[in-house]
Amino acid sequence: ILNVEQSPQSLHVQEGDSTNFTCSFPSSNFYALHWYRWETAKSPEALFVMTLNGDEKKKGRISATLNTKEGYSYLYIKGSQPEDSATYLCASGTSYDKVIFGPGTSLSVIP
Amino acid sequence: DAMVIQNPRYQVTQFGKPVTLSCSQTLNHNVMYWYQQKSSQAPKLLFHYYDKDFNNEADTPDNFQSRRPNTSFCFLDIRSPGLGDAAMYLCATSPRLAETDTQYFGPGTRLTVL
Repeated sequence: ILNVEQSPQSLHVQEGDSTNFTCSFPSSNFYALHWYRWETAKSPEALFVMTLNGDEKKKGRISATLNTKEGYSYLYIKGSQPEDSATYLCASGTSYDKVIFGPGTSLSVIP
Repeated sequence: DAMVIQNPRYQVTQFGKPVTLSCSQTLNHNVMYWYQQKSSQAPKLLFHYYDKDFNNEADTPDNFQSRRPNTSFCFLDIRSPGLGDAAMYLCATSPRLAETDTQYFGPGTRLTVL
């Protein structure tokens, strides 16, 4: 059984602070790493998909990095805003034609 | 806008009373997934359809069934809900069954079992 872990489980930051959190995944049979943002009462939406070791992706104030050799990805949010409050899910795509999700990091940005 | 729609958003049922959750998509994707997410846990894949081919996860209880009458619709049937089945149920779609494909999610159905 493949486990994807995320830390911390929850995070509270002040508006304007930068923050980051971690996704850990099995490095064997790795195909892709996905990040999703899930705002309350909305649908989870895709942020990034990364496949290569050393990949870095950026969307506005949010960026992500990938280390496939050691099995981790970081998500960074620069200058957090209240609208960034959401649960951030990562998911690892394996060679078994499936994607395994982590439990998410819940971010609250305090105005 | 192309999207994934789930109905109802909130469902309350009684212990043992069958319930059906529905999902529809306008993306014309081949793959549709059902996930179960319990509080603070990872979404857990129950099953998926690739076109009409049904694929059940090995640890999905027999109490859970699914139907996909056409490309656009997929249903989750819980034959005899137990208290442990209370959860958020997410439907998702993707163009292909590929680890690199983004999944497109509906907003989920929150199931309460009394």
